[in-house]
Amino acid sequence: NAGVTQTPKFRILKIGQSMTLQCAQDMNHNYMYWYRQDPGMGLKLIYYSVGAGITDKGEVPNGYNVSRSTTEDFPLRLELAAPSQTSVYFCASSPGPGELFFGEGSRLTVL
Amino acid sequence: DQQVKQNSPSLSVQEGRISILNCDYTNSMFDYFLWYKKYPAEGPTFLISISSIKDKNEDGRFTVFLNKSAKHLSLHIVPSQPGDSAVYFCAAYHAEYGNKLVFGAGTILRVKS
Repeated sequence: NAGVTQTPKFRILKIGQSMTLQCAQDMNHNYMYWYRQDPGMGLKLIYYSVGAGITDKGEVPNGYNVSRSTTEDFPLRLELAAPSQTSVYFCASSPGPGELFFGEGSRLTVL
Repeated sequence: DQQVKQNSPSLSVQEGRISILNCDYTNSMFDYFLWYKKYPAEGPTFLISISSIKDKNEDGRFTVFLNKSAKHLSLHIVPSQPGDSAVYFCAAYHAEYGNKLVFGAGTILRVKS
């Protein structure tokens, strides 16, 4: 049972570079999310999707973009990376309200 | 504006004793509360939840209490075990805010053997 799979697990970027964090789930969940976790802070919602073709902004969307072309995949695009985007990123999915299933996280450092 | 607050960054308890983790919220519209547990280098995993129409929910060693008038909930772990050592996040949502969980900052629990 793969659940929610995130790649890469670690990445170092230079300021101004771009990259995509990949997220895939095999549970046929309609809802998918991207959160970031900074030290001493809770998880902040970046973007979410309630189904293929539908995405919406969360609390901290600036500097990120998402797409949802399939039920399984929900990639997060970072454009023009900045040091403030150094964080641990978690992708999650859920069948409905409440219980989210999280991936293992992707640790990103922007230097 | 932190709608969900966990004011204790860390908690240390002896194995076999009770662990009590606290959470306060400001938005009275929240109608569902959850606790997640997170080990290092892993994603959070769901632990237990409670609806706003209840004041207690129990699952084995874990019990969550909700005090709506005080906008406060707590997670009790009895008895605490070394394997419970982790970060615990409180989270909440309400229907008008969609299916978007708002998380607290987390509390690090250390259970000493």
